[in-house]
Amino acid sequence: EAGVAQSPRYKIIEKRQSVAFWCNPISGHATLYWYQQILGQGPKLLIQFQNNGVVDDSQLPKDRFSAERLKGVDSTLKIQPAKLEDSAVYLCASSSGTGYHEQYFGPGTRLTVT
Amino acid sequence: GENVEQHPSTLSVQEGDSAVIKCTYSDSASNYFPWYKQELGKGPQLIIDIRSNVGEKKDQRIAVTLNKTAKHFSLHITETQPEDSAVYFCAASRGYSTLTFGKGTMLLVSP
Repeated sequence: EAGVAQSPRYKIIEKRQSVAFWCNPISGHATLYWYQQILGQGPKLLIQFQNNGVVDDSQLPKDRFSAERLKGVDSTLKIQPAKLEDSAVYLCASSSGTGYHEQYFGPGTRLTVT
Repeated sequence: GENVEQHPSTLSVQEGDSAVIKCTYSDSASNYFPWYKQELGKGPQLIIDIRSNVGEKKDQRIAVTLNKTAKHFSLHITETQPEDSAVYFCAASRGYSTLTFGKGTMLLVSP
């Protein structure tokens, strides 16, 4: 089966610019996650969707980050405006359920903000 | 919220040796503890997990142990091979809540 797809793989922008990342989860997976992974650290959850509804966005900096999952399939994460500290790998993951279900990660998008 | 500490941050072993990575967690209600392996340029991949009703779980060369009283769990890799070289992350959750990851351990297995 096809894995989690993400694009672009790499992005370089200047601070105060905007950027968007796209994720297509494994077919049939109802739960979708966006994580931020700063160099040398573990993934940190930004937002979790169950179908097209938000389950947890408590760690999403809502003044600059937004995410949507229209039609409960693919998802877009946007940053506007970007800051230097947003430089990180943005990982998308999906699972067939919540909690004990395995999360399948995509390859990530490496964002560099200059 | 949950806090997960992971040690060591780097670990170098010779091929064939064993490797042990340890994690502690703060939330006594956590009951699900997965381990993920992340190779360079790839996303993390689940390699083994354990729930709090079990003290140990083994899958070929990989095993995980859990001590609920001390709130710590460990990953054991025996007969290490060069392809085991990667970054390993532990994580914890209350099952139906979100995962909290440790900071990772870079394992280097030298031939």
